[in-house]
This record gives sequence, structure tokens and C-alpha cells, in this order.
Amino acid sequence: ILNVEQSPQSLHVQEGDSTNFTCSFPSSNFYALHWYRWETAKSPEALFVMTLNGDEKKKGRISATLNTKEGYSYLYIKGSQPEDSATYLCAFFQGGNKLVFGAGTILRVKS
Amino acid sequence: DTGVSQNPRHKITKRGQNVTFRCDPISEHNRLYWYRQTLGQGPEFLTYFQNEAQLEKSRLLSDRFSAERPKGSFSTLEIQRTEQGDSAMYLCASSLREGLLFFGSGTQLSVL
Repeated sequence: ILNVEQSPQSLHVQEGDSTNFTCSFPSSNFYALHWYRWETAKSPEALFVMTLNGDEKKKGRISATLNTKEGYSYLYIKGSQPEDSATYLCAFFQGGNKLVFGAGTILRVKS
Repeated sequence: DTGVSQNPRHKITKRGQNVTFRCDPISEHNRLYWYRQTLGQGPEFLTYFQNEAQLEKSRLLSDRFSAERPKGSFSTLEIQRTEQGDSAMYLCASSLREGLLFFGSGTQLSVL
């Protein structure tokens, strides 16, 4: 059974604050790591797919890093806005088979 | 609309009844996944297909659950003899090989 752990479980920040979340995954037989954003009443939306150790991806104010040797990825949001409020999910692809999701980090940004 | 489509959006059923959900993936996507999501949890893997072949099914899934993807296009998920514990959001997603997943809006199942 694959364990994908995300922390913190939830986060409340003020508008303008920068924040980051952690995703931990098994370091053996790594294939890829995905990040998704899930807003209430919508479908999960893909953010990044990361495949190489040391990968850094960026999309607007959101960026992510990857360390496959130690089995973690960080997601950063710079200058949080209320519209960033969502659940952020990471998902681990071991050996190119099924994608296993973590429980997510719930972000609430107050204006 | 060329996104992933799921039907129905909501389903209310009585315990013991059978239910079937449908998912139409993005047409050129060869992989199709089914997940279940309950409050406070991330999507829980149920099964996935590559084209018409069902490659893996969760060991957590009882024999009451079955999925098909005839001809490698749309897929159906059937739950027989539903139980109250089956109440959840059932999500379908598709992808091109091992790429990013594109999700449907889900089917919310309530078992009374």
C-alpha cells in the first residue's frame, strides 16, 4: 500500500501572505508526482507533473519543487489571494501504474 | 464540450439497490480512472483502464463493485446491493498515458 502524506491538513492565511505545503511519498521506484487544485463544487484541476529529482515548476504565483531521493515535494504560493482558497492534492505515480492521492491540504485565504 | 463527462450528477438510492454510473473520457485519452472521495479525504483509487483493459482494481473494493470500458471509450461503474457506507462522490478521470489527469464533475451517491 502506497502512503502519500500531506501536511498541514489545513491552513488559514491572510491575503498577501506566502505559504507552502509538503507532500511525502515513497522514494523507491519513483515515476512521477502530480499536484492538483480542487475548488469547492468544481473538479480537481491539474497544476503540475514532476518527474526528475530537482525539478522546479512554476505557474503564475504557484511553484513546486521535487526531491525524489528523500521522497518529498513542496508547493509554494506567493502572495496568496482569496481565489487561491482550495484543497491542494498531491498524487504519486509509482512505476507508471495507478495514481495514489494524498488527503490534501485545505487552504483558506482571508481578505 | 470535450472534457470528461459523468452521469448522473447525483444519485439517491435505497440500501440494497444496484446503481450504475457512466463516464465519457476525453476522446484521445487512453487511460481512464475511477476514484471515490469522502469528506475530509483525498480521492481513493478504485480502478483504472488502459484502453479496454482493466489493469488494476483496489484490494479495498468488494466484489459488489465492477467496472467496464467496452471498446476503450466510455466506462461504467456498477455497485450492486448498495450499502450506506457506499455513499460518496465517485470521480472519473482520463489521461493520455501517464500524463496529468482530467477529472469529470463526479457523481454524488447517497444511499438511504
